[in-house]
Amino acid sequence: DADVTQTPRNRITKTGKRIMLECSQTKGHDRMYWYRQDPGLGLRLIYYSFDVKDINKGEISDGYSVSRQAQAKFSLSLESAIPNQTALYFCATRAGTGDNSPLHFGNGTRLTVT
Amino acid sequence: GENVEQHPSTLSVQEGDSAVIKCTYSDSASNYFPWYKQELGKRPQLIIDIRSNVGEKKDQRIAVTLNKTAKHFSLHITETQPEDSAVYFCAASKNYQLIWGAGTKLIIKP
Repeated sequence: DADVTQTPRNRITKTGKRIMLECSQTKGHDRMYWYRQDPGLGLRLIYYSFDVKDINKGEISDGYSVSRQAQAKFSLSLESAIPNQTALYFCATRAGTGDNSPLHFGNGTRLTVT
Repeated sequence: GENVEQHPSTLSVQEGDSAVIKCTYSDSASNYFPWYKQELGKRPQLIIDIRSNVGEKKDQRIAVTLNKTAKHFSLHITETQPEDSAVYFCAASKNYQLIWGAGTKLIIKP
């Protein structure tokens, strides 16, 4: 589903570097999410946003920050990357305001911290 | 808070046989239960979902059943095909968040 676009697709960085992962969507959804995926651990929520002025921490927000620049853009930053942040990162959007709609994922960003 | 357990972690079935993946959840207030399929190197994609006021839903070879009393829901795939090989995730929704199971790797043997 090309309506949720993540950049870059792959990134290798060194410990201590600041890095930003970007997400943009053309679906017109207000709700946007950042997830991290590690093998055997499924998807874990880092941050989520219900609109431009509403940012919320997820279960694993330590070491991460986000910015909702517009309805269509939601960026994830690692202020000082560390090796255990090596993972596959997904941005997702969700329609409506209720609990009964699915998430739509971007293609993911594979991040390696050396 | 909500917790979702998914079993088995790996499932190997012969092509043409059925596959069943089960999830349990802890919070009875959860009201929406989607299933996602993730092929190797790709994004998770919704394959079927069910709401708490429905007991069963089918879409061709895929079905989901929900038992609210027991707090568990299951994914059923019939007549499995090679393209069904993937990792499958269940989730439960409450308070506008999805809580995910750890995933089941489904292997279809030729």
